[in-house]
Formats: sequence, C-alpha cells, structure tokens
Amino acid sequence: QKEVEQDPGPLSVPEGAIVSLNCTYSNSAFQYFMWYRQYSRKGPELLMYTYSSGNKEDGRFTAQVDKSSKYISLFIRDSQPSDSATYLCAMSSGGGADGLTFGKGTHLIIQP
Amino acid sequence: GAGVSQSPSNKVTEKGKDVELRCDPISGHTALYWYRQSLGQGLEFLIYFQGNSAPDKSGLPSDRFSAERTGGSVSTLTIQRTQQEDSAVYLCASSLEVRGTEAFFGQGTRLTVV
Repeated sequence: QKEVEQDPGPLSVPEGAIVSLNCTYSNSAFQYFMWYRQYSRKGPELLMYTYSSGNKEDGRFTAQVDKSSKYISLFIRDSQPSDSATYLCAMSSGGGADGLTFGKGTHLIIQP
Repeated sequence: GAGVSQSPSNKVTEKGKDVELRCDPISGHTALYWYRQSLGQGLEFLIYFQGNSAPDKSGLPSDRFSAERTGGSVSTLTIQRTQQEDSAVYLCASSLEVRGTEAFFGQGTRLTVV
C-alpha cells in the first residue's frame, strides 16, 4: 500500500460545478496537509495548508482533513476553466527528514 | 526574489556528461528540498537541507547525485555521468522551517539526457 493514494483521473466536470478531490493516507504520523495546483510545465503552486483535523476555507477553495479516517479533501466551488490543472495532495509529519509525501495528482478538466 | 528561482529552466545534455542545477530559495527560508518529477509519476523526494546541512542523503537515487547548499541560501544539485533515466523535471522548494510550514516550489529544471 502506498503511503498516499490519489485517483489520477482525469476528472471532467462542467464549468460552475462543485469539484471534490480526495486523498487517503496510511501514515498516522502525518499532521500537516497541503494541496498544490500544477499547470502543465510549471512548478506546483501551494493552494491550501492545514494542520491536523478540521476545515479551512479560502475563497472558492475548502480543505478538509479527517485524521481519524486518514482522508483529506479539497472542494472547489463555482469551478472555472482556469481551474483545469493537476491537483496534488501532500502531507508531512513535520520532521523534515522525509520531506513532503505527495499523491500522484488528479488531472482536473473544467469544461466551458 | 519573491519566489523560488531555479536555473536553467531547460537543460539538454549528452549521456555521460555532468550537469549542475541551481536553486535560489525564498529569502529567509531555512529549509530547502529537492524533488524529481518524471513523466506520469508523482514527486520523488531526493534530499532536504536545514541551513547548510543535509541530515539524510538516502533519498538520492545513486552516488552520481550530490547536492550542497552554501550560506544557507543557494543550493546546487549535481548529477555526474548522466544517464537517460535521469531525464525528468527537478523541482526545488523552500520553507521557513523544516517543521510543519508551507513549502513553496520553483518552476523546475527540465532535464533531457540524449
């Protein structure tokens, strides 16, 4: 079992839809959770950062962490064609030695 | 600069040559990370620095890979005797601290070994 599982997609939804992206993980030591957006041929761009369980909202984006289920989610409201990208979840125990552990990314397509 | 800067953005090299990749982190960030992203693959963690020190080098793929950081700032990743399987995007990230702070990535260096 990989440490972080993420459905690679592609996930295709119409413009304006609510998008739900998810990751599951196995390492209970993970405490810090991040979502990155990566456009083609660009570096990952940090979208959301959360610590431990709970919700965090930033504009159209909401991140949820459920440590009891080892499950994290990113919701995108009122999706736009410009949201089309690969979304990577990342997590860390905070120790640094193993850096961030990433999912393989979900390729999201927003249809105009 | 405002963000993490990597150079070159693209590098084509012949098999067997050495290459040096450079990362200039966000000013004041003490932690620096190198990752490799191959086509269709996730991000593979290579090494991290806390200041100028890299406590664990076991993530480097082979002894042809080395990395250093000087002055708590710029880092270089060197690949000796490049092989075709080294072709990938090499990404650098930095964060304020190692423990539990957001990591910000550069644009990457796309390395092609021919």
